[in-house]
Amino acid sequence: QKEVEQNSGPLSVPEGAIASLNCTYSDRGSQSFFWYRQYSGKSPELIMFIYSNGDKEDGRFTAQLNKASQYVSLLIRDSQPSDSATYLCAVWEEGKSTFGDGTTLTVKP
Amino acid sequence: EAGVTQSPTHLIKTRGQQATLRCSPISGHTSVYWYQQALGLGLQFLLWYDEGEERNRGNFPPRFSGRQFPNYSSELNVNALELEDSALYLCASSDWTLANYGYTFGSGTRLTVV
Repeated sequence: QKEVEQNSGPLSVPEGAIASLNCTYSDRGSQSFFWYRQYSGKSPELIMFIYSNGDKEDGRFTAQLNKASQYVSLLIRDSQPSDSATYLCAVWEEGKSTFGDGTTLTVKP
Repeated sequence: EAGVTQSPTHLIKTRGQQATLRCSPISGHTSVYWYQQALGLGLQFLLWYDEGEERNRGNFPPRFSGRQFPNYSSELNVNALELEDSALYLCASSDWTLANYGYTFGSGTRLTVV
């Protein structure tokens, strides 16, 4: 079992819709959880981090964490074509971040 | 404030040669992390340096090595290059005390082994 698993995708949503990205992790000792956005040919960019159970909102982005279920999600409201990218879930543990393989999101105008 | 800088942007090497990649962290950051992102694959953790010491290492062979200098810049060396070493190599930095708040990545070095 991979340490961090994401929906393989690709995920396609129409402009203005809500995009939902999911991630599960295997280590219950994981402390912090991240969502990075990676545009094609570019390096990852941190967009959200969360370490407490519940929701954390930042503009159109909401991260949700459920440690009991070992589940992290990212909701993107009012999706825009510029949100089209690969979204990487990462988990911080033992001095490093472990990344999932990413979910590619396409927002269609 | 300057971000994480990596050099060179692109590097082409022949199988069996050595490659040296460089990274300068954000000013004030003491930790440098190296990741490999092969085409179509996720980010694989290579190495973590903090305060000049190697703190953690991923599941890579010993021919992947590096060091961190007193100014916190870092170098990744890959010896005896193999074709499968072709990948984007990403460096990230953080303040160690804030590492659990996420990384800032450089733009990467694209290594091609022919």
